[in-house]
Amino acid sequence: NAGVTQTPKFRVLKTGQSMTLLCAQDMNHEYMYWYRQDPGMGLRLIHYSVGEGTTAKGEVPDGYNVSRLKKQNFLLGLESAAPSQTSVYFCASSPLGDSYNEQFFGPGTRLTVL
Amino acid sequence: GQNIDQPTEMTATEGAIVQINCTYQTSGFNGLFWYQQHAGEAPTFLSYNVLDGLEEKGRFSSFLSRSKGYSYLLLKELQMKDSASYLCAVRDRNYQLIWGAGTKLIIKP
Repeated sequence: NAGVTQTPKFRVLKTGQSMTLLCAQDMNHEYMYWYRQDPGMGLRLIHYSVGEGTTAKGEVPDGYNVSRLKKQNFLLGLESAAPSQTSVYFCASSPLGDSYNEQFFGPGTRLTVL
Repeated sequence: GQNIDQPTEMTATEGAIVQINCTYQTSGFNGLFWYQQHAGEAPTFLSYNVLDGLEEKGRFSSFLSRSKGYSYLLLKELQMKDSASYLCAVRDRNYQLIWGAGTKLIIKP
C-alpha cells in the first residue's frame, strides 16, 4: 500500500497563476482533508470531504476550491495564487467511524508563490 | 475561540525522560491526539486519549485530564531519532481536529 500520496512535491507559482494539487489514498478511507502548515502555527484545515461527491469548508477555505469525484482522490485548486498562500500543504485521510480514527498524512507539497 | 497551547521548544539529553505539556480550550471534546513530525516530513500518529488517565505505548506515554483541559506526552529513554516536533490536537464537538503549533524537541548527546 502506498498510503497517501501527493503530487507535486514542490511548486513555485507567480501571483495570479492557478494550479491543482492532487491527493490519492489507497486505504479506502471515507474522510479526506486538506491542511496548510505555516511556521509557528498549527495545521489549519482548508477543506474536507466525508465521502465521494461531498466537500465542506474548514477553517481557512478562502482562495481554495476542492473536488472529490472519486473516493480515492481529493483535489485542491488555487484559482489565483497569492503570496499569502505560500505554505506546506498536507493531505490526510481517515476511516469512517466515531471511535479513534487517526488521520494518515501524505508527504506534503511545498508551494511558493512569488 | 478554540485554543491549543504547548511549549515552542524543549531540549533534553539522550537517555533521559522528557514531558511535553498541552493545554486546550475547545468547543467540545472528542479525544486528544499526539503526532510526531520530523523536519520536512508528514505528521505520524503517536497516541490517542479520550478518557482520563495514562496510555502507555512502549517508550511513549500520554496522559489526559479532561477536567483540567490538560494532556502531556512522556518520552522515556530518549534517542537521537526522537528529535522532532510533537503536535497536540483535540477533536472538537464537530469531530474536527484543532491543532497546536507543535513543540520542537531537541535531543543532545
